Amino acid sequence: SQKIEQNSEALNIQEGKTATLTCNYTNYSPAYLQWYRQDPGRGPVFLLLIRENEKEKRKERLKVTFDTTLKQSLFHITASQPADSATYLCAFRKRRYSTLTFGKGTMLLVSP
Amino acid sequence: SQTIHQWPATLVQPVGSPLSLECTVEGTSNPNLYWYRQAAGRGLQLLFYSVGIGQISSEVPQNLSASRPQDRQFILSSKKLLLSDSGFYLCAWSFTLDRDSNQPQHFGDGTRLSIL
Repeated sequence: SQKIEQNSEALNIQEGKTATLTCNYTNYSPAYLQWYRQDPGRGPVFLLLIRENEKEKRKERLKVTFDTTLKQSLFHITASQPADSATYLCAFRKRRYSTLTFGKGTMLLVSP
Repeated sequence: SQTIHQWPATLVQPVGSPLSLECTVEGTSNPNLYWYRQAAGRGLQLLFYSVGIGQISSEVPQNLSASRPQDRQFILSSKKLLLSDSGFYLCAWSFTLDRDSNQPQHFGDGTRLSIL
């Protein structure tokens, strides 16, 4: 079956370092991936989208890569700050016009 | 700009009682609307989605139902709540997919539902 997997363990890093989160998918080749941020007790907030024909996408301190050979997307936050601490979710659409499938998310903790 | 409102923020209900959660979107017309449940340690589970008034698709069989009486209103209901209905319920909207199937979803702040 089609799966989307993110590290279940929290990622702890120090302020100023680059955080890298991983999203792997199996048994499917999505046309694109989306990344969201979720704070405790709040709804997810859309961050970035990357298409299969794009290797890399950037927005301020955020960078997303998409490797269709490895079936993996990496989400990077450079110069991380304590305010970046949150859970980050990846999602893909299985088919054109179908609904999104979300990963369970990875919690990021940035220490001062 | 578009906004989404969900209420109540928290709700405590006894087993067997009815449920009604409401979600409204402002600033756009004919949005796609979604209801998700997020249980502790689990991902977002899509419950229902709607592409138009009166059009509801159910993703999983369950004790819940959804309705869309108006273009920008989405309601999640139950006649009799079960303990397993506890969770964090999220409503979301997106532009219609025929504009661009890459549309992101925009979420409300959720309702924390506890069943006693």
